[in-house]
Amino acid sequence: DAGVIQSPRHEVTEMGQEVTLRCKPISGHNSLFWYRQTMMRGLELLIYFNNNVPIDDSGMPEDRFSAKMPNASFSTLKIQPSEPRDSAVYFCASSFGGLAGFAGDYEQYFGPGTRLTVT
Amino acid sequence: AQSVTQLDSQVPVFEEAPVELRCNYSSSVSVYLFWYVQYPNQGLQLLLKYLSGSTLVKGINGFEAEFNKSQTSFHLRKPSVHISDTAEYFCAVSARVAGKSTFGDGTTLTVKP
Repeated sequence: DAGVIQSPRHEVTEMGQEVTLRCKPISGHNSLFWYRQTMMRGLELLIYFNNNVPIDDSGMPEDRFSAKMPNASFSTLKIQPSEPRDSAVYFCASSFGGLAGFAGDYEQYFGPGTRLTVT
Repeated sequence: AQSVTQLDSQVPVFEEAPVELRCNYSSSVSVYLFWYVQYPNQGLQLLLKYLSGSTLVKGINGFEAEFNKSQTSFHLRKPSVHISDTAEYFCAVSARVAGKSTFGDGTTLTVKP
């Protein structure tokens, strides 16, 4: 298996532009997570999907951020409009497991990340 | 809700010395526990996990951790570290009914020659 795939690996954009980050989870995994990592704030969970349904989006910083999971093999995280303070490394992770009654061990497999720089 | 406290933000140690990275957690329900490692410019990868059974868990690269329910701790240990162990280490806890993990703030392990 190729693992979790993220694209692009690096993105440099100007303030005000729309940014779309993409993620392909590991086949067979039913949970998908988007994280943001910065020196100041560490690793933050932005949103969590289970069986393609958003379960917890309490970490999404504001309305400029949106995430979708149209099917089990693809997810996007969009920032519109982008701001310099959005500069960070964004990770996607997937796991097998989920809500009560669904077997799994919740070990998360992380992608290599997208380094976003907003100037 | 769960929370994780990694008691040391930075741990410097000399090569071939033993190391312990400390992790305490709180939860009102049964949990799974994890340690992840992040090398520079990479994503996190699993070192080891505790799901049930033996409280001493062995992972990759010679690391092990012990689950202590009474002290709500899950400390990571290695008897002899290498330069290549220099990385950031994250402790994480997942409630067995939640599906998501709560991560600690990370501990930077620096191994010096």
